[in-house]
Amino acid sequence: DGGITQSPKYLFRKEGQNVTLSCEQNLNHDAMYWYRQDPGQGLRLIYYSQIVNDFQKGDIAEGYSVSREKKESFPLTVTSAQKNPTAFYLCASSLSLADNTDTQYFGPGTRLTVL
Amino acid sequence: GNSVTQMEGPVTLSEEAFLTINCTYTATGYPSLFWYVQYPGEGLQLLLKATKADDKGSNKGFEATYRKETTSFHLEKGSVQVSDSAVYFCALVNFGNEKLTFGTGTRLTIIP
Repeated sequence: DGGITQSPKYLFRKEGQNVTLSCEQNLNHDAMYWYRQDPGQGLRLIYYSQIVNDFQKGDIAEGYSVSREKKESFPLTVTSAQKNPTAFYLCASSLSLADNTDTQYFGPGTRLTVL
Repeated sequence: GNSVTQMEGPVTLSEEAFLTINCTYTATGYPSLFWYVQYPGEGLQLLLKATKADDKGSNKGFEATYRKETTSFHLEKGSVQVSDSAVYFCALVNFGNEKLTFGTGTRLTIIP
């Protein structure tokens, strides 16, 4: 049963702490993405990765970091430098970045709340 | 740059009503166009897509036609059900831009 899993579903963080959100896919996709969703807004791209050991900043990368050590995994770290981290975080993947007809498939999301 | 403008919500309809959610876009070249649906507390699911002008995407009774002359990709359904209540996002990917550009989403509520 192929798909994208994200954990945890809900995450609470104290101010000043770093937290890492997990994203795993077994679709054999090359490209992976992290988006942030805020109420009343569309999704905004944080980071994306076209291939293992390579990733690029999206539109709102400040205060976030990622790694891509394995094809199936793309964890996102929300650092204490992110000023307003409370949001719904969505991970996605697609076959490749080279074809704009490819569909991005999304995980179920992680809701992060800073206390 | 690329942008997507969606019909402001929320939209409330009675069951079996006709649905239209407007979506227009700005992009150079020939983007691919998508409609995604998000049910409460969940991630996004692809509803339908079209990759070239005059293509019609369809799924679960929903349809949208890629109109290059009007730069539009309006979502329609002939008879909505309570289970269609969700947030709908229009999005595009432009060749060489590598990322989805989303509209702000339209919340749809269907009442019995």
